Amino acid sequence: DAGVTQSPTHLIKTRGQHVTLRCSPISGHKSVSWYQQVLGQGPQFIFQYYEKEERGRGNFPDRFSARQFPNYSSELNVNALLLGDSALYLCASSLVEGVTQYFGPGTRLLVL
Amino acid sequence: AQKITQTQPGMFVQEKEAVTLDCTYDTSDPSYGLFWYKQPSSGEMIFLIYQGSYDQQNATEGRYSLNFQKARKSANLVISASQLGDSAMYFCAMREGPTAAGNKLTFGGGTRVLVKP
Repeated sequence: DAGVTQSPTHLIKTRGQHVTLRCSPISGHKSVSWYQQVLGQGPQFIFQYYEKEERGRGNFPDRFSARQFPNYSSELNVNALLLGDSALYLCASSLVEGVTQYFGPGTRLLVL
Repeated sequence: AQKITQTQPGMFVQEKEAVTLDCTYDTSDPSYGLFWYKQPSSGEMIFLIYQGSYDQQNATEGRYSLNFQKARKSANLVISASQLGDSAMYFCAMREGPTAAGNKLTFGGGTRVLVKP
């Protein structure tokens, strides 16, 4: 079975631009979460969606937004990119809420 | 205060030996879950093992076992018979609250393990 997939794998943007990251969960999984991992640190929680509803939001500015589609895939949008947004963005899916999350390979975003 | 603390930034271990990675946590919620993930240089987080706060026995998954000491708020990962492929970053993470509380995981800073042949 396919694991969590994310696209693109790498992305280079300039300050002020907008970016959309995509995630497809494991088949049958209804919850998707997004994490940001800055180099040298552990991942930080950004959003969780379950059954297309936002169920949790981390301490990130409103420039970050996300949504989940009827097929349970998800998009993370970041507006007005800053240099500090450069990070590995990880998507994780789980069957339902609160159980083990399985991560995708991540999208490496570089903001110049 | 840090919710998850991993005090070992890096460590070497000889192939075929066991290694213990430390993790202490801080929560006032009686219901929580503790997870360990492995992150190779490729970046993907690989789930290793889970321990629930109400689980009576320590979790085990193949060569991985979790030494859960609830009173001390520690959840150390033990890797037995280390292999070269075990070289990676290891993260301890916590979900506070019962499963219905959602998916938010709080991660520690990680421990880098290098297995020597």
